[in-house]
Amino acid sequence: DVKVTQSSRYLVKRTGEKVFLECVQDMDHENMFWYRQDPGLGLRLIYFSYDVKMKEKGDIPEGYSVSREKKERFSLILESASTNQTSMYLCASSSNLDSFSGYTFGSGTRLTVV
Amino acid sequence: GESVGLHLPTLSVQEGDNSIINCAYSNSASDYFIWYKQESGKGPQFIIDIRSNMDKRQGQRVTVLLNKTVKHLSLQIAATQPGDSAVYFCAAGPGTYKYIFGTGTRLKVLA
Repeated sequence: DVKVTQSSRYLVKRTGEKVFLECVQDMDHENMFWYRQDPGLGLRLIYFSYDVKMKEKGDIPEGYSVSREKKERFSLILESASTNQTSMYLCASSSNLDSFSGYTFGSGTRLTVV
Repeated sequence: GESVGLHLPTLSVQEGDNSIINCAYSNSASDYFIWYKQESGKGPQFIIDIRSNMDKRQGQRVTVLLNKTVKHLSLQIAATQPGDSAVYFCAAGPGTYKYIFGTGTRLKVLA
């Protein structure tokens, strides 16, 4: 069964901390994504990576950075966590950008910044 | 800016009835539309998609209708089952990864 695994289900961090959210996929997909999901809002794309060491900014990249040193792993980094980054973070991978049907999502990391 | 919105935050239907979830989008240049669902504690799960050169597409127990004139998208679920309970989302985009996602409709199936 194909999988996207996010390292933490729940995370509580303090304001100003550097936070790493990890995502690993076992499908050899080129494309990986980080989204943010807030109540009352749809998914919003933070960053997209189409290959190792390659990335593109999404709709809301401010306050975030990413790292993709290996094909299977895509990390989201909050350089200095703030309370407005409290949210559900979802990672996804896909081999095909032409269709959403090929996206596989992780179960999400619920991050609380206090 | 561009927007995608679902008409109702919550929809309750009797088990065995048909469900219809509606969605409106603002960008007439959108070329690709999707429906997905999300169950509590899980990631999004793709249901069905449709491209702008079609106005109807059917899957297993689901049908998506696209009306480009009024920029409206609907998802019909036949013979709704308790396992269909979830939050349903629509999204629109140009056909690449740049989607605009809607806010979601929670479908409650009543026994």
